[in-house]
Amino acid sequence: AQSVTQLDSHVSVSEGTPVLLRCNYSSSYSPSLFWYVQHPNKGLQLLLKYTSAATLVKGINGFEAEFKKSETSFHLTKPSAHMSDAAEYFCVVSDPPGGSYIPTFGRGTSLIVHP
Amino acid sequence: NAGVTQTPKFQVLKTGQSMTLQCAQDMNHNSMYWYRQDPGMGLRLIYYSASEGTTDKGEVPNGYNVSRLNKREFSLRLESAAPSQTSVYFCASSERGLDQPQHFGDGTRLSIL
Repeated sequence: AQSVTQLDSHVSVSEGTPVLLRCNYSSSYSPSLFWYVQHPNKGLQLLLKYTSAATLVKGINGFEAEFKKSETSFHLTKPSAHMSDAAEYFCVVSDPPGGSYIPTFGRGTSLIVHP
Repeated sequence: NAGVTQTPKFQVLKTGQSMTLQCAQDMNHNSMYWYRQDPGMGLRLIYYSASEGTTDKGEVPNGYNVSRLNKREFSLRLESAAPSQTSVYFCASSERGLDQPQHFGDGTRLSIL
């Protein structure tokens, strides 16, 4: 069975400093992995996805994530935080048993950006 | 570019009342989903429809029913609302496939008194 753990419920950074949001997953297969962002009172928006091509994935708004199979991790990073990055971030795993491809969501990490 | 449209955006119900949440997508996606979001719980799947004509239970289906009306529309019904169903409800759609991302509506904020 697949599962995903976001290691921090809240991350606080200063504007202009690096961002690291951590995600570990469990899957018996070769999964697809996604990061979504949710701004207040909005739906979720795709940031990036990993689907067994390059292990370093670049997304929108300067975010990227690295798939590390040996560590079962898919951490999200950004070199320099902007105030507009303050939001909730979700790591999602999807693997193929049964062919239904039902994704499993992490509980989310709230990113707080201080001026 | 409408994407996924949910109605209504806000609703307040009394315990025992019924209501239907509507969802429509204009991307010709095969799969549609209903989630609820509660603080600290992430998104939990209520029901999904892998393709037109099929529906299946997700993680938290009790107290809900769904209808895949056609390829575009997927509705969620609360037959007898309970305070525990106070939540934000999100509809999503996607193409079928392991690597297909989901597209989300802006949510319905439902309060049950």
